[in-house]
Amino acid sequence: SQQGEEDPQALSIQEGENATMNCSYKTSINNLQWYRQNSGRGLVHLILIRSNEREKHSGRLRVTLDTSKKSSSLLITASRAADTASYFCATDGSGGSNYKLTFGKGTLLTVNP
Amino acid sequence: NAGVTQTPKFQVLKTGQSMTLQCAQDMNHEYMSWYRQDPGMGLRLIHYSVGAGITDQGEVPNGYNVSRSTTEDFPLRLLSAAPSQTSVYFCASTLVGGSPLHFGNGTRLTVT
Repeated sequence: SQQGEEDPQALSIQEGENATMNCSYKTSINNLQWYRQNSGRGLVHLILIRSNEREKHSGRLRVTLDTSKKSSSLLITASRAADTASYFCATDGSGGSNYKLTFGKGTLLTVNP
Repeated sequence: NAGVTQTPKFQVLKTGQSMTLQCAQDMNHEYMSWYRQDPGMGLRLIHYSVGAGITDQGEVPNGYNVSRSTTEDFPLRLLSAAPSQTSVYFCASTLVGGSPLHFGNGTRLTVT
């Protein structure tokens, strides 16, 4: 069963605006990761946040994690047309194994020039 | 350093045919896995391996076999293809559990 669920399913913004995507999950985790997928390509890792961290930054990306609410958010600031892609959250720790990453269904982000 | 390489990129099969999807990585990663991606379903784990000679089932293993005879290779076998196996298949690897996965570019499989 899906562990992570992204929200919204689709998001369309203008270049320069910020994009926020949310992820909710059901069980305790060790880590939560965010990935990007360009059309027709494999997933690319963006950022990993551990269960004892609350916020993490990487360039224009900011990830927050609230383990009490079992939720995470990914913020992309000053978006660019090249940020157009699907974004997935993935969690581990399900069933006691940190090898079995479980992915959500993704948010399709469209950044209009 | 090629990363994770999947072949073929595209494949069309008839129902009942068999085939093997190839996956190879050159990063000396112990952990390798296979996912399938279907519209509206996200990625679902089929099988995974934590090292040569060790494999285990994921969320949707039925209809698929795997083996891991070397660290580098992790082939996925469809013994008797069914239309329900039409999907995009991704292989991924990582050095240790909980670390970021490195993905191949996928194999798009159609079963008619």
